[in-house]
Amino acid sequence: SQQGEEDPQALSIQEGENATMNCSYKTSINNLQWYRQNSGRGLVHLILIRSNEREKHSGRLRVTLDTSKKSSSLLITASRAADTASYFCATDADSNYQLIWGAGTKLIIKP
Amino acid sequence: DAMVIQNPRYQVTQFGKPVTLSCSQTLNHNVMYWYQQKSSQAPKLLFHYYDKDFNNEADTPDNFQSRRPNTSFCFLDIRSPGLGDAAMYLCATSREGLSFYEQYFGPGTRLTVT
Repeated sequence: SQQGEEDPQALSIQEGENATMNCSYKTSINNLQWYRQNSGRGLVHLILIRSNEREKHSGRLRVTLDTSKKSSSLLITASRAADTASYFCATDADSNYQLIWGAGTKLIIKP
Repeated sequence: DAMVIQNPRYQVTQFGKPVTLSCSQTLNHNVMYWYQQKSSQAPKLLFHYYDKDFNNEADTPDNFQSRRPNTSFCFLDIRSPGLGDAAMYLCATSREGLSFYEQYFGPGTRLTVT
């Protein structure tokens, strides 16, 4: 089941620019994650932010979480061609070790 | 390197001909998942194993079965593939613990049904 919605659905920017993607969800969560998927490949875990955290950094990635608005954003700074991929947010379900996935944002970095 | 391996990477099968996809992991994770992903969509969970306990999603068709003979291996059996089953099939693992919900994915098997 999907509870996350992501926007934009697609984003095309120039190399070197920053890219921001947003994720909204419907129910309370313990944590939220972001994954990257290169074309035709599996997903790669990028970052996990817990419900008691507001911001988290990892290299060129910055994730924010606003539990009052049930939303998160992923910022990629100084984008590179290799960042071209689909990005998915995922939240934990109540139980059963499952994730609930957003629909994804397709990011294209133009050289 | 510890990883999740899926074989084959590409599988072509005929309509109605049974097919098995395999997944192995060297991470020693106790939870394994099978997802179906169609083009430009989010992964859809088919089922998962917590240790040996099998958990089927309510909307997973009976056509899809799974086996987990040991911790390292998990198989997805599609008994009678239809054209609508053409998709990428992703295997993932996770481990009970601090980052329990962080999942590690294999590269996927792209299934074509002719």
